Parts: sequence; structure tokens; C-alpha cells
Amino acid sequence: GAGVSQSPRYKVAKRGQDVALRCDPISGHVSLFWYQQALGQGPEFLTYFQNEAQLDKSGLPSDRFFAERPEGSVSTLKIQRTQQEDSAVYLCASSLIPKGEWNTEAFFGQGTRLTVV
Amino acid sequence: GENVEQHPSTLSVQEGDSAVIKCTYSDSASNYFPWYKQELGKGPQLIIDIRSNVGEKKDQRIAVTLNKTAKHFSLHITETQPEDSAVYFCAPHTGGFKTIFGAGTRLFVKA
Repeated sequence: GAGVSQSPRYKVAKRGQDVALRCDPISGHVSLFWYQQALGQGPEFLTYFQNEAQLDKSGLPSDRFFAERPEGSVSTLKIQRTQQEDSAVYLCASSLIPKGEWNTEAFFGQGTRLTVV
Repeated sequence: GENVEQHPSTLSVQEGDSAVIKCTYSDSASNYFPWYKQELGKGPQLIIDIRSNVGEKKDQRIAVTLNKTAKHFSLHITETQPEDSAVYFCAPHTGGFKTIFGAGTRLFVKA
């Protein structure tokens, strides 16, 4: 596809359940970002990958959150033992060049809405 | 760290009027200034951006102005249309990996 694809679009999890959210970035894009967006708020940075290297994970809220991008393309965000406060939209974005001194447009997926009940 | 504020949080205009949204940031090293539009159920989409060596950029009905000294940049939408109704976010970039988004401005364009 031409854009960033995220799956599933919607996920309902029981509290304590583990979930995995998938992101397919635009082919050839070096940079990949994960964001968490609470209702009525702006996206909040979770983590950044440059190819397969996770260069910044400072935004991950706790050690229950884990992200990987093993081959430098598809990425998975995993949340263990989900809690109600994890309910949010999780957005993935990709960008053509490495994030650094020269910045450029990030293309966002439609997001995965996670509801923890 | 970077502090980003957007004003107003909500803006209601009549179709055909202009709308202006302001974004204030704290990190003087910021060098890239995009504006994103987010429609319901969709991810943010870039609508216009500007770099630190430029003061103003225009694309049809949309323009962005940058004041690096005062550390703010603004989104200007002229001749607003109902399809402009959405949430708009600023996201000033520094050289680091983390990007801080503003809290968003909800724009309502009344027909």
C-alpha cells in the first residue's frame, strides 16, 4: 500500500491481557515512531526506531510497554498486563530519513483504538 | 525539555472567514515547524510546514508564519470551508528523536 497501515483498527482487551499492535510503514522509510493519543489530547511520543535500532524509548510509560522492529520495516508495540489507563489510540508514523538535525514530514497511520475493560 | 502550547483550544468561525492558530515553543534549537490536521477516526496529516530559515510559506488557502525570535509560529487558513473543520496540531522539531505535539485546536467552520 501507499500509506502507513496499522492493525487492528480496534482492540478490546480485558484488564490483565497482553496485546500486540502492528505497524506497516511506508516501504523504504528509515524512521518509525509510536505515539499514544488520549481522547481530546495531542499525540504523545512513545518510541523511535531508525531502521531496526530503537534509539529512543523515553516515552514508554512503563516496563509493560515494549516495541520492536526486528528487520527495519514492520514494527510491533506490545503491552503486557493491560490496565484501564492504557486505553487510547496508538498511532504509528514513518518518515523517509533519519530523525536528526534535518527533519521532514512524518506520515501517520489511522491508529489502533485500544479499549481496556 | 520542549514546552509546546497552542491557542486557542477551540475556534469557531463562519464559512468564508479566516482562522488563525498560534503555537508557542520553548526550545530555541527547534528548526522544523509542521502543522497537522486530524479528522475524526484518522491519523494526523501534514498540511504545511516551514523551516527555520524561512519566515512565511503559503499553499493556496493555507499559510504558516514563523517568528523565531519570539518562538512562535502560526497557521492561517483563509476562506474557510466546512471541510476545514478538524483538529489541528503543531509539532516543532529539534534535533532530538522525540517530537512534542501541541494539545490541539478544534476548528469548527459553520456553513
